[in-house]
Formats: sequence, structure tokens, C-alpha cells
Amino acid sequence: ETGVTQSPTHLIKTRGQQVTLRCSSQSGHNTVSWYQQALGQGPQFIFQYYREEENGRGNFPPRFSGLQFPNYSSELNVNALELDDSALYLCASSFNQGVNTEAFFGQGTRLTVV
Amino acid sequence: SQQGEEDPQALSIQEGENATMNCSYKTSINNLQWYRQNSGRGLVHLILIRSNEREKHSGRLRVTLDTSKKSSSLLITASRAADTASYFCATDDSLYSGYSTLTFGKGTMLLVSP
Repeated sequence: ETGVTQSPTHLIKTRGQQVTLRCSSQSGHNTVSWYQQALGQGPQFIFQYYREEENGRGNFPPRFSGLQFPNYSSELNVNALELDDSALYLCASSFNQGVNTEAFFGQGTRLTVV
Repeated sequence: SQQGEEDPQALSIQEGENATMNCSYKTSINNLQWYRQNSGRGLVHLILIRSNEREKHSGRLRVTLDTSKKSSSLLITASRAADTASYFCATDDSLYSGYSTLTFGKGTMLLVSP
């Protein structure tokens, strides 16, 4: 167990709807990153939050947004869901100490868009 | 985009045999990390090797890194059925982005038969 928890574990939404996924970081970690993993692919970086500020973003449209709270838990919001958004969403927490940082992943939320 | 490319895509061996997976990447890195994923769930961190290291061991795992060839290998010795999983290499991109995030390959599916 990594100490990183995600909720819900599974979710089915309809195209065009909005979804919020949640992540509780490991105690003491101040950085959270979100990844999208499509079936048969490796995880792809969505964005990262450090001390409640977005400090990096991958190649994802603005309808993917996030929040990090003072207790370092985090949310991923996706608006106007598309069928291609169906994937496993993973959050990873870490303690930002510059380079060579180990990330701890949660079990993921599997989102299905129909 | 995916930086790492694992080879082979799939590997099937018998218990007790060794399993070797390779990873190639394209750009300079701070470190390279290997992760395991069971049944499409969360990622488990296996080992981190820094760019100035050439070999690292952890239990039955041995990782090598050749920065001149931009490649890494993961060796699992005396494999067990419980090692059945997908294995991903991930490169730390903080040299370019200024923050520590990971770029994953597509993974190697390892099946260990009893």
C-alpha cells in the first residue's frame, strides 16, 4: 500500500457530462500529479500541483482541470466528456525535493464514457 | 507522447526462469524508474536509477542504465507466478520541464507460468 487513495474506483458517465475524481496524497507529500492511462498504453502526464498551484501541464485540453487543497489532497475535473476520455486515471504523490523524486501511485479510477 | 519504448511487448516464461525487459528513450534524463502494474490497477515503484549510476540491485531485481545508448534493462531473477504483471519504464523529465514528472513507455506484459 502506498498511502495514496483515489475515489471512486469505477465510474460510468455519459458523453458531454462532467466528472470529478479525487485523490488523497501520502502523508507529508506536497506534490500531486495526475496521469491518464488508456487501454494498452502507458500513463500520460496530465498536470502537476505543488503547494496548491499548477506547476506543469501535459498535452491535455483546458477541459481537464484540477485543484490541490491545503491538506494536499487533490481533484481532477473533466468537462464535456468525450468517448476517448475513457481510461484509468492515476494520481501520484511525492515530496518535491527537486530531482530524483520517487512518486507513489494510487490504485486509480477507471472512467468509462458512454 | 511516450519517450520510453519497452521491448519485448510481451514475455512468457516459466517459474524459476529469469526475465529481461529493455527500455529505450530519446532525451537526456535525470533518472529512470521502473514500475509494475497488476491487472490495470495502480503502479508500484520498483527501482530508481540515477543518470550517473550504471547498475542497481533490489532483491531479485537488477537494473542497468546506459546513458550513451539511452537504454535501460530490468532483470528479474528466479521469477515467480506473482511476478505476472505489466512493467513500465519511466523517465524523469525535470531537466527540460523544471519539475519532476514522468514519461512512460507502453510497457512489457510479463506472464510467469507455474
